[in-house]
Amino acid sequence: GQSLEQPSEVTAVEGAIVQINCTYQTSGFYGLSWYQQHDGGAPTFLSYNALDGLEETGRFSSFLSRSDSYGYLLLQELQMKDSASYFCAVKVDFNKFYFGSGTKLNVKP
Amino acid sequence: DTGVSQDPRHKITKRGQNVTFRCDPISEHNRLYWYRQTLGQGPEFLTYFQNEAQLEKSRLLSDRFSAERPKGSFSTLEIQRTEQGDSAMYLCASSSPGTGGPNTEAFFGQGTRLTVV
Repeated sequence: GQSLEQPSEVTAVEGAIVQINCTYQTSGFYGLSWYQQHDGGAPTFLSYNALDGLEETGRFSSFLSRSDSYGYLLLQELQMKDSASYFCAVKVDFNKFYFGSGTKLNVKP
Repeated sequence: DTGVSQDPRHKITKRGQNVTFRCDPISEHNRLYWYRQTLGQGPEFLTYFQNEAQLEKSRLLSDRFSAERPKGSFSTLEIQRTEQGDSAMYLCASSSPGTGGPNTEAFFGQGTRLTVV
């Protein structure tokens, strides 16, 4: 089976930087994805790492260490609209996705 | 609109009734997934299709649940004899073929929120 662990909730202020960690255990690992979900909305894709290292997409960066079964999502210059839940998801056996339980990010003014 | 669409968006049903949900994936995507999400949790994998073939079913999917994708395009998820524990958001996602990279990520629909009373 798969297990993913991420913090349940994180609070930060507008303009700050926040890091959301994810550790995973799975077989058939292909890569680690991050999704954002606002209350009542659909999960939307943010970032994907198949190889070790940092991927940067605007204010969001994602990191993967395959040897440590660990990744993180880094959000910079936080905005109020970034308040949402963030899920890490492992891509397994070519094309299946299993999600963590999510981290609720609260951005305060 | 080229996104994943789901119908209906909301469904309220009485315990014991059958319900069916529909998902229309992004047209060029050959993989289609069903997930279930309850409040405060991440999406739980239910089943997945490649074209019309159902390749995997989660142990979460009891025999009251059945999914089809008859022509490799849209899919339906049916729940028979609904129970209160089936109340959840049912999400559909699709992805394109490929071995990796962002264009093989899953793109989600808005979901069908099921309430069993």
